[in-house]
Amino acid sequence: GAGVSQSPSNKVTEKGKDVELRCDPISGHTALYWYRQSLGQGLEFLIYFQGNSAPDKSGLPSDRFSAERTGGSVSTLTIQRTQQEDSAVYLCASSLVWQNTGELFFGEGSRLTVL
Amino acid sequence: AQSVTQLDSQVPVFEEAPVELRCNYSSSVSVYLFWYVQYPNQGLQLLLKYLSGSTLVKGINGFEAEFNKSQTSFHLRKPSVHISDTAEYFCAAVSYNTDKLIFGTGTRLQVFP
Repeated sequence: GAGVSQSPSNKVTEKGKDVELRCDPISGHTALYWYRQSLGQGLEFLIYFQGNSAPDKSGLPSDRFSAERTGGSVSTLTIQRTQQEDSAVYLCASSLVWQNTGELFFGEGSRLTVL
Repeated sequence: AQSVTQLDSQVPVFEEAPVELRCNYSSSVSVYLFWYVQYPNQGLQLLLKYLSGSTLVKGINGFEAEFNKSQTSFHLRKPSVHISDTAEYFCAAVSYNTDKLIFGTGTRLQVFP
C-alpha cells in the first residue's frame, strides 16, 4: 500500500485477554516504530525495529508487552493479560532511513479499549 | 535525560489571527527537532524539521518554527490561521547520540470563524 497500514482500527477486549495489533509499513522502509497515545499523555515510545532486530525495547511498559517483526516488513505488537490502563491508541510508524534525521510516516492507529 | 515540553494543552484562536505554539526541550546533547500535526481521525504527518543551518525553518501550510539554542525552544508560528488548521500539534526531539524520537504531550489548536 501507499501508506502505513494498521489493523484492527478498533479493538474492544475484556480485561485479562491477549490482543495482537498489526502494522504493515511502507514498502522499502527499514525502520519501524511503535508508540502509544493516551489522552493527555502525548506519544509514548514503545519499541523500535531496524530490520527485524529491536535495538531499543526500553519503552515497553511491562513484560506483558512484546513485539516482533518478520521479513523486515510486518510487525505485531502483542499485549498479554490486558489491563484497563492499556487502553490507548497504538501508533505505528516507519521510515526509510535512520530516524535521527528522517521523516516518520505514521499509520492511523489501533484504538484499544479494555473493559 | 531528554524531554520535550509543550506548555499549552489547548490554544483557541480566531480565523486569520496569528498563532504561536510553544515547545521547549531538555537535552544534555545537541538535538534534531520536529513538529508533527495530527488532523482529526488521521495519522501524524511531518510539518517541519530542524537539523542544522538556518534557525528559521519553514514547513507546509504556511507554518514556520525558530530554533533558539540559548532558550532551548522551538516554537511554531503561523501569521494567519485558517479553520483547516484545527488539529493537534506535537513537538518532538531526538538527540544526536540516540535513536529515540521523544514527543511532547501535544497542543490542540482550535480555530474559530
